[in-house]
Amino acid sequence: SQKIEQNSEALNIQEGKTATLTCNYTNYSPAYLQWYRQDPGRGPVFLLLIRENEKEKRKERLKVTFDTTLKQSLFHITASQPADSATYLCAPPLGYGQNFVFGPGTRLSVLP
Amino acid sequence: DTGVSQNPRHKITKRGQNVTFRCDPISEHNRLYWYRQTLGQGPEFLTYFQNEAQLEKSRLLSDRFSAERPKGSFSTLEIQRTEQGDSAMYLCASSLVGENTEAFFGQGTRLTVV
Repeated sequence: SQKIEQNSEALNIQEGKTATLTCNYTNYSPAYLQWYRQDPGRGPVFLLLIRENEKEKRKERLKVTFDTTLKQSLFHITASQPADSATYLCAPPLGYGQNFVFGPGTRLSVLP
Repeated sequence: DTGVSQNPRHKITKRGQNVTFRCDPISEHNRLYWYRQTLGQGPEFLTYFQNEAQLEKSRLLSDRFSAERPKGSFSTLEIQRTEQGDSAMYLCASSLVGENTEAFFGQGTRLTVV
């Protein structure tokens, strides 16, 4: 069956370092993949979308890669700040209407 | 338009009671989604509409759950005979139709069944 996995439940890093989060999917080939940020008690907020023909996408301190051979997307936050602390969700399209399906998320804590 | 709106924000109900939540999407968005999220988990897909048509339902959506979008605008999610396992955050999102479109989420309705 189709599955989405994110590398760890929680990731702690020191302020200023680069955070790298992993999203792996199995048994299907999405044409694109999205990343969202979720703060406690709030709905997810869209960050970036990367298409299968794009190897890399950047937005300010964020960078996403998409390796269709490895079936993996990496999400990087450079020069991390405590305000980056949140849960990050990957969301490839899945299902009949290409609806949004989310991975379990990785909770990032950036320590000052 | 200020985004996706969900009401109520919080609901506490006794087991066995029925509850109904409302979602008002961004006005020009054709698609509307419902998700359920429990602590420490990602949002789980429940169902989605394109205009007024309900196009897909998850197996998670038991027959106690029903969703409507009668005029292709706002949507309601009703849970009948609530159980303690229904306690969760219920999230609504909307989007335009087509590939490569992002979903915009509301703040969610937190349901507690006691």
